[in-house]
Amino acid sequence: GENVEQHPSTLSVQEGDSAVIKCTYSDSASNYFPWYKQELGKRPQLIIDIRSNVGEKKDQRIAVTLNKTAKHFSLHITETQPEDSAVYFCAASEDSGGGADGLTFGKGTHLIIQP
Amino acid sequence: ETGVTQSPTHLIKTRGQQVTLRCSSQSGHNTVSWYQQALGQGPQFIFQYYREEENGRGNFPPRFSGLQFPNYSSELNVNALELDDSALYLCASSPELAHNEQFFGPGTRLTVL
Repeated sequence: GENVEQHPSTLSVQEGDSAVIKCTYSDSASNYFPWYKQELGKRPQLIIDIRSNVGEKKDQRIAVTLNKTAKHFSLHITETQPEDSAVYFCAASEDSGGGADGLTFGKGTHLIIQP
Repeated sequence: ETGVTQSPTHLIKTRGQQVTLRCSSQSGHNTVSWYQQALGQGPQFIFQYYREEENGRGNFPPRFSGLQFPNYSSELNVNALELDDSALYLCASSPELAHNEQFFGPGTRLTVL
């Protein structure tokens, strides 16, 4: 089955700086890669996703890049703000339309924005 | 648009008991997936329901079972509870033909003593 590795486990950046979180996956059949943000005591919130027919996707201060050959994808947050502090999870899945395998998640990155 | 809701919010059970957790999908979504999130870990896929049938299953034993109803709501049942079943149980719903675009509910915190 799929295995997703996520690094780093904790990331501390100064407010206004950029943050990058990296994930690798093992199953070459995976073609859907979402990122979730989870604040303490709250539900995981889908913030951005990318499919394997696209190399990069951007939404305001958030971007995701995908390298299918190397089987890794990354989340980039620019101009970080205090409200970006949370745990971020990457995930991978085979988007066959049937969704039989569910999402495989990384272990999460605790992003801390220092004022 | 109504988001995913779950009940109860918290639950305390003792080892060996049985528990039922409930989930209502987001308006317009017909697929429900269940995940177990242990403290400090990412969610782990339990199973997915589509058109009232199990559509895929993760690495969980048969004592984890589920149902989906005609209104797309769903239940997760866990029999013979073990201490390691203590976790946050998350339900996620997704639309037709995009089963992996999953939107999560707030979860049920289960504590097994």
